[in-house]
Amino acid sequence: KQEVTQIPAALSVPEGENLVLNCSFTDSAIYNLQWFRQDPGKGLTSLLLIQSSQREQTSGRLNASLDKSSGRSTLYIAASQPGDSATYLCAGPVSGGYNKLIFGAGTRLAVHP
Amino acid sequence: GAGVSQSPSNKVTEKGKDVELRCDPISGHTALYWYRQRLGQGLEFLIYFQGNSAPDKSGLPSDRFSAERTGESVSTLTIQRTQQEDSAVYLCASSLGQGATNEKLFFGSGTQLSVL
Repeated sequence: KQEVTQIPAALSVPEGENLVLNCSFTDSAIYNLQWFRQDPGKGLTSLLLIQSSQREQTSGRLNASLDKSSGRSTLYIAASQPGDSATYLCAGPVSGGYNKLIFGAGTRLAVHP
Repeated sequence: GAGVSQSPSNKVTEKGKDVELRCDPISGHTALYWYRQRLGQGLEFLIYFQGNSAPDKSGLPSDRFSAERTGESVSTLTIQRTQQEDSAVYLCASSLGQGATNEKLFFGSGTQLSVL
C-alpha cells in the first residue's frame, strides 16, 4: 500500500532563509508528483507538477525535484518570505492508479518577519 | 466560473441526519474529484468522475456516502445518517481530464462538516 511521509511536520524560520521540504513514498515507483500549498480555511493551490518525463520543475523561488528510483521529492524555497507561510503538501499516484492521488499530511511552514 | 465553487462553506448537523454538499467545477473541466481531509491529516480520495464514464467510487468509506454528477457540471456528495467520524473538510477539485496524476488539479475552498 502506497504511503506518503512529509518531513518536517512543522517548520518555523526567520524571513530570508532557504528551506527544504521533504516527501517520500513507500512504493518508489513514482512516475510523477505534485506539490500543493494550502492556506488556512482554503482549498489547495497547485504549485508544481513534475510529469513522467521530467526530474524537476521551477517556478519563481520554488524548485521541486523527484528521484524516481527512490520515490523521494524535495521542495526548495529560496529566500523565504512571510507570505510563504502555509501548509505544503505533496501528492503522487496511488500504486497502479491513474486518477487517484495520495497525499502526505503536509509540512506547516511559518516564516517570521 | 473563475474557479471551483463549493457550498455550503460550513455545515453543522446532528448525528443521524443526511447532508448534501455541492461542487461547481471550472467550466470545461471534464474531470471532477472529491477528497476528504480530517484534522491534521492528508487528503483522502473519495470519488472521481470523468466525462460520461462510470465514476470511480473506490474511495467511498461506506454505503452511506454517494455522489452524483450531471454531465460535466455540478456534482453533489451526499452523506446519509451522518456519524461524528464524518466530521472533516470535504474538498472538490476539477481538471481538464487527462488524469489527476498528469495535470494540475484546481481545488475549491471546501465544506467544513461538523457532526454533533
